[in-house]
Amino acid sequence: QPVLTQSSSASASLGSSVKLTCTLSSGHSSYIIAWHQQQPGKAPRYLMKLEGSGSYNKGSGVPDRFSGSSSGADRYLTISNLQSEDEADYYCETWDSNTHWVFGGGTKLTVL
Amino acid sequence: EVQLVQSGAEVKKPGESLRISCKGSGYSFTSYWISWVRQMPGKGLEWMGRIDPSDSYTNYSPSFQGHVTISADKSISTAYLQWSSLKASDTAMYYCARIRAVAPTYSDYWGQGTLVTVSS
Repeated sequence: QPVLTQSSSASASLGSSVKLTCTLSSGHSSYIIAWHQQQPGKAPRYLMKLEGSGSYNKGSGVPDRFSGSSSGADRYLTISNLQSEDEADYYCETWDSNTHWVFGGGTKLTVL
Repeated sequence: EVQLVQSGAEVKKPGESLRISCKGSGYSFTSYWISWVRQMPGKGLEWMGRIDPSDSYTNYSPSFQGHVTISADKSISTAYLQWSSLKASDTAMYYCARIRAVAPTYSDYWGQGTLVTVSS
């Protein structure tokens, strides 16, 4: 079954850009993932589906500042023009044979 | 508008039973699956299991198999997560999420969460 690895924390300045990484385990580098955002004290929110080709589809209402890209087993979430409301935990998700889903450990993003 | 509305917070004692719910609206309830996800205090998201409301077929994470039961009543568009004997370690926030039933099968909507507190 796939394992997703994320850095535990990241930080960037207001108005700048940040790139978060989710790495798929060996043998699963072609898997599609989803990115989710969890603001403090709130439920997670679906951001986008991201394929190994780098093609992504965002959820309804997700700002244009959010984009996705891929390289090998790495899946990236880039947030441009960081806003204070982007300070949140970000999780990646994938699945295996429609019988098992898994989340990465999450990255806590601090906006300085 | 797609919505998943979960039942309210619960405070229980160890050994008690509990069932929490997740009601879907704004879409065809039987055309998507429902997952349950645990988030312990200060921790990340853990997938517990999922159900296909059209036929009640379930899959569980090995970590939760035998400890919880997932069910659904398609007539009222509601999925459930149930414990027969709670433990203090079940204290957590529980989320339901809608999963696309056709590939790619990712979670695309989330409930607001149900906080379960188990304490003597």
